[in-house]
Amino acid sequence: DVKVTQSSRYLVKRTGEKVFLECVQDMDHENMFWYRQDPGLGLRLIYFSYDVKMKEKGDIPEGYSVSREKKERFSLILESASTNQTSMYLCASSLDPGGTDTQYFGPGTRLTVL
Amino acid sequence: AQSVAQPEDQVNVAEGNPLTVKCTYSVSGNPYLFWYVQYPNRGLQFLLKYITGDNLVKGSYGFEAEFNKSQTSFHLKKPSALVSDSALYFCAVRDMNYDNLFFGTGTRLTVIP
Repeated sequence: DVKVTQSSRYLVKRTGEKVFLECVQDMDHENMFWYRQDPGLGLRLIYFSYDVKMKEKGDIPEGYSVSREKKERFSLILESASTNQTSMYLCASSLDPGGTDTQYFGPGTRLTVL
Repeated sequence: AQSVAQPEDQVNVAEGNPLTVKCTYSVSGNPYLFWYVQYPNRGLQFLLKYITGDNLVKGSYGFEAEFNKSQTSFHLKKPSALVSDSALYFCAVRDMNYDNLFFGTGTRLTVIP
């Protein structure tokens, strides 16, 4: 079974702090994704990556950056956290770059910015 | 541009009754369609997908969905609901001309014992 793990289930940070959210997948998947989930808005794509050291902006990249130094690890970085970044963050991975493949999700990190 | 609509925020159904969770989509090319489920405090789990072929797709936990091209719909169905089916359901679409999945806003299904 594909396993996607996220470094924290719950995280509380203060405004202005730099925040790192880590995601690791164990199935040698090419593609990795970061979403945020908010009530009434569904999932919105922040960034994705099709390969090591490669990144593409999603629908809402502002205020975020990412890093993919190794194939299995995809990090989301909030350079200076703000209260409007309080949300559930979900990481996902998939194998097929053609887009027909299933995305497998981690359990999520619920981030609260005070 | 691609988009997906889940017109119902909440669906309530009695245990043992059939359930339907609605999804309509808009894409410029051929769609790839997915359903995911999210149980409380957990990530999303894949249920089923339509890529091509038979319009009726069967998935996990007894769920199925029917692709209807003329109505641009991909409704999720189950003949007999279980209390354990209570969860948040997301429809997602990918236009073959774009890189990303686009998710709906979710429908909360409650199965009443």
